[in-house]
Amino acid sequence: DTAVSQTPKYLVTQMGNDKSIKCEQNLGHDTMYWYKQDSKKFLKIMFSYNNKELIINETVPNRFSPKSPDKAHLNLHINSLELGDSAVYFCASSLGTSPFGANVLTFGAGSRLTVL
Amino acid sequence: GENVEQHPSTLSVQEGDSAVIKCTYSDSASNYFPWYKQELGKGPQLIIDIRSNVGEKKDQRIAVTLNKTAKHFSLHITETQPEDSAVYFCAASTSGTYKYIFGTGTRLKVLA
Repeated sequence: DTAVSQTPKYLVTQMGNDKSIKCEQNLGHDTMYWYKQDSKKFLKIMFSYNNKELIINETVPNRFSPKSPDKAHLNLHINSLELGDSAVYFCASSLGTSPFGANVLTFGAGSRLTVL
Repeated sequence: GENVEQHPSTLSVQEGDSAVIKCTYSDSASNYFPWYKQELGKGPQLIIDIRSNVGEKKDQRIAVTLNKTAKHFSLHITETQPEDSAVYFCAASTSGTYKYIFGTGTRLKVLA
């Protein structure tokens, strides 16, 4: 059973289109994240939800809108896609935090978005 | 803002040799330091982590050390094997923030 699953794995689309990436976790975690990994492999946090509540919203264009219908799902919708949006997007989840720091972050396999 | 510096960006070692990757963090409140391994076409996977109340942790061929005073932590891989070839990321996190700051990654190549 896949712990954090995201779909689609690959997405090729034209500039200006709107697309969504879906993520689901079956670990019972409270917190879910979206990370963007660019061509240089840098991993940058975009959003985080804890029990369906937005808790992290980094400097991301408002063309990106996350939605969490329940704590097991976190979807990412992107409007008016631009060339610079091409990247691998990773969903992740964690159990939250403990007194000694954050708990383990579990990643999905990634969704490679290519904007032409 | 908070950041994590990671060195080297690429590392090539002969099979059987040791590999060391070093990270420095800026936020003194950071208290959780995981290391992730990312194989080609896959998501990062946790390989070892250390919390601030511990100075060293070992799991078979991999170990992590933490120097809170200097704000350094390092990953040590001994007896490297070709399957250790991957990109390795360090990260730092702080209680209650839910935010993990990742290093810039190290591409490790183990030459057979």
